[in-house]
Amino acid sequence: ETGVTQTPRHLVMGMTNKKSLKCEQHLGHNAMYWYKQSAKKPLELMFVYSLEERVENNSVPSRFSPECPNSSHLFLHLHTLQPEDSALYLCASSQQGPTGANVLTFGAGSRLTVL
Amino acid sequence: GQNIDQPTEMTATEGAIVQINCTYQTSGFNGLFWYQQHAGEAPTFLSYNVLDGLEEKGRFSSFLSRSKGYSYLLLKELQMKDSASYLCAGMDSNYQLIWGAGTKLIIKP
Repeated sequence: ETGVTQTPRHLVMGMTNKKSLKCEQHLGHNAMYWYKQSAKKPLELMFVYSLEERVENNSVPSRFSPECPNSSHLFLHLHTLQPEDSALYLCASSQQGPTGANVLTFGAGSRLTVL
Repeated sequence: GQNIDQPTEMTATEGAIVQINCTYQTSGFNGLFWYQQHAGEAPTFLSYNVLDGLEEKGRFSSFLSRSKGYSYLLLKELQMKDSASYLCAGMDSNYQLIWGAGTKLIIKP
């Protein structure tokens, strides 16, 4: 496996379900991100982990819970979601350097549908 | 507030040239990125500009004018595989990315 891989690629869940999205990066990067992508809207940054420590949480509802057990893996735990949470969830990684202007490598995303 | 504007959709003909514009308003500026995203696939990095001027990479070029808060992506000799969404993102003084909603480019034979 190379790059950033996300599983599952598609997920349908009811509002009372609990599920998790998984992301794995094989690039040796030191930062990982969760983004939400909705149709015709800008990417929304949800969470950032740098060196396995959460450094950003952009006012995301508590029904989304991230977990970063090591620098290569990132999870997004989902619980009692709402239909408006249906979207493409993109994971990304980067090598954060001194300049801060680092390039993101994205996974192909997990398409989530909440019924 | 911070904002990125780019057209929602553009159509161009195979073999032609197309220019996708992006205007930005950010708190401070640390560069502008372009990404390409094919339907159902991951966004992939195309270019990064932090200084004024044109940077060319094969058939793709990216331009930046910091004084005008303006960038464009120029695609030459269009191919059908260039049909995709093109995402513009400005980086503010805190190195946070501000994303546009993307431009869907449709290439016709």
